[in-house]
Amino acid sequence: GESVGLHLPTLSVQEGDNSIINCAYSNSASDYFIWYKQESGKGPQFIIDIRSNMDKRQGQRVTVLLNKTVKHLSLQIAATQPGDSAVYFCAEGLVNTGNQFYFGTGTSLTVIP
Amino acid sequence: DTGVSQDPRHKITKRGQNVTFRCDPISEHNRLYWYRQTLGQGPEFLTYFQNEAQLEKSRLLSDRFSAERPKGSFSTLEIQRTEQGDSAMYLCASSPGTGRYTEAFFGQGTRLTVV
Repeated sequence: GESVGLHLPTLSVQEGDNSIINCAYSNSASDYFIWYKQESGKGPQFIIDIRSNMDKRQGQRVTVLLNKTVKHLSLQIAATQPGDSAVYFCAEGLVNTGNQFYFGTGTSLTVIP
Repeated sequence: DTGVSQDPRHKITKRGQNVTFRCDPISEHNRLYWYRQTLGQGPEFLTYFQNEAQLEKSRLLSDRFSAERPKGSFSTLEIQRTEQGDSAMYLCASSPGTGRYTEAFFGQGTRLTVV
């Protein structure tokens, strides 16, 4: 399954499928990006980050892709599990000068067992 | 250490009253952030501390809002003369180190309802 962030803020996938969550960021000067997962009633939880000098970074079952040309970020979740159901936010910021991060609206992921 | 702790978890107050929230960051984390999150939206930055110094403030932080981190450890966020528009989740986060940004860990948040 795939979302386009603001245009499709909800995404439903079958358990075991791969998920792709997309995010368009706004500031071309941003050089640090983070994906957060937020479950209902909880604070955001760090998933993975990427610096602007990279195009791809992999974690455990997750991969973040960065396309600076079109200011696009994506989060790929492999073999999606019910526990992955949450709202996912991308956040952009500046490593050396900025300490405030700008969060997108978020995408709600629902995993169907 | 069990992570960033916020107190209270929920607060209901009447319009016009003052409220204060507390955040205890992860031990030895120099940086502390306050964010506000309304339903269906991503967190919005409010302010940031490096140790006890408040280094950045968002324009969202009106004169009714004040934040402190007196000893560089816990922080408080006070809202005076609350308005219904202040109803939101107030999130605190902390991160270690200085200089280059590092991962921020969020607390569970304080949900404020102004009636």
